[in-house]
Amino acid sequence: KQEVTQIPAALSVPEGENLVLNCSFTDSAIYNLQWFRQDPGKGLTSLLLIQSSQREQTSGRLNASLDKSSGRSTLYIAASQPGDSATYLCAVRIQGAQKLVFGQGTRLTINP
Amino acid sequence: DAGVIQSPRHEVTEMGQEVTLRCKPISGHDYLFWYRQTMMRGLELLIYFNNNVPIDDSGMPEDRFSAKMPNASFSTLKIQPSEPRDSAVYFCASSFSITRDIRFQPQHFGDGTRLSIL
Repeated sequence: KQEVTQIPAALSVPEGENLVLNCSFTDSAIYNLQWFRQDPGKGLTSLLLIQSSQREQTSGRLNASLDKSSGRSTLYIAASQPGDSATYLCAVRIQGAQKLVFGQGTRLTINP
Repeated sequence: DAGVIQSPRHEVTEMGQEVTLRCKPISGHDYLFWYRQTMMRGLELLIYFNNNVPIDDSGMPEDRFSAKMPNASFSTLKIQPSEPRDSAVYFCASSFSITRDIRFQPQHFGDGTRLSIL
């Protein structure tokens, strides 16, 4: 059974810092890994999707990496801003299925 | 292009009542998913459809839950009778089929329905 873990559960940093969020999964048989952002009371916004054959994806100040063999992904946020404060979730799509398995998320707070 | 639309945004009802949640997927998407989010269990897949047909309902907690997709642009999740432990945020999401698009399209989520059962 696929399990996804995100560490840390919560993170608070001052504005301007670069930071890394971690995601690990137990079964490397995945189609892709997706990073989402969730604001309080809102749905999930897809940030980046990395296919199983890819090593990383970049969008603006965000960079996500994937090491499928070790079951790890990181989301790097450069020059953090208060507007980046949200919960970040990673999810893997299991091979042979459309199912997404989610981590519990990392609650990020950027302090001005 | 409109995203996934869910209604209502909030629902508060008494235990034992029937609850119906609604979802309109993104036009052209052939997969639709229902998820439930709680503090204790995080985001869990309840059921998903492909071309309006239920494919995997193994996440549906019990017989009190049912989901339908009468056409490509509408789905419902029904709870009857509702119980306090059903209180959660219910999300609907949609995506393209993997076999149709080699880029493995992401899932797009609605804003959710916050359900409170008193």
